[in-house]
Amino acid sequence: KQEVTQIPAALSVPEGENLVLNCSFTDSAIYNLQWFRQDPGKGLTSLLLIQSSQREQTSGRLNASLDKSSGRSTLYIAASQPGDSATYLCAGMMYSGGGADGLTFGKGTHLIIQP
Amino acid sequence: KAGVTQTPRYLIKTRGQQVTLSCSPISGHRSVSWYQQTPGQGLQFLFEYFSETQRNKGNFPGRFSGRQFSNSRSEMNVSTLELGDSALYLCASSLFGDSTDTQYFGPGTRLTVL
Repeated sequence: KQEVTQIPAALSVPEGENLVLNCSFTDSAIYNLQWFRQDPGKGLTSLLLIQSSQREQTSGRLNASLDKSSGRSTLYIAASQPGDSATYLCAGMMYSGGGADGLTFGKGTHLIIQP
Repeated sequence: KAGVTQTPRYLIKTRGQQVTLSCSPISGHRSVSWYQQTPGQGLQFLFEYFSETQRNKGNFPGRFSGRQFSNSRSEMNVSTLELGDSALYLCASSLFGDSTDTQYFGPGTRLTVL
């Protein structure tokens, strides 16, 4: 059974810092790895999707990498801003007998950017 | 274009009752997935529908069921509610539900079971 772990569980940094969020998974048989953010009381917003054949994806100040062999993904946020404060979740889409399975989520990293 | 909508946004039920939640996907999306989010267990996959057929199912009891209509709208039903069913229920839609698709989530339905 796939397990996804996110470290740290919480992080508080001053505005302007670059930071890295970590995600590890136990089963390398993933279709893709996705990063989401969740704001309080709201649904999830997709940030980046990395196919299993890819090594990284970039969007603006965000860069996500995937290393299937080590079972790790990182989300790099450059020049952090107070608006980046949210919970960040990583999720893996797994293989199953019927094809793609549902997403398996980590518990998230609660990020606070201090103005 | 309009995002994923879920109704109702908030719901209060008592133990033993049943509940139906609704999800309208983004226009053109044919895959709808449902997730349960609780503080203890985090986000857990319930099931996924594509073209009115359930393709995948998570590890939840049979009290949790769903369906999808020809217009891709989906409903999930929970029968004989238990206190532990209190959670935020999220649905997500995508074009085909495959590995290249971005999942778009709705705002969720907050279910409280008393």
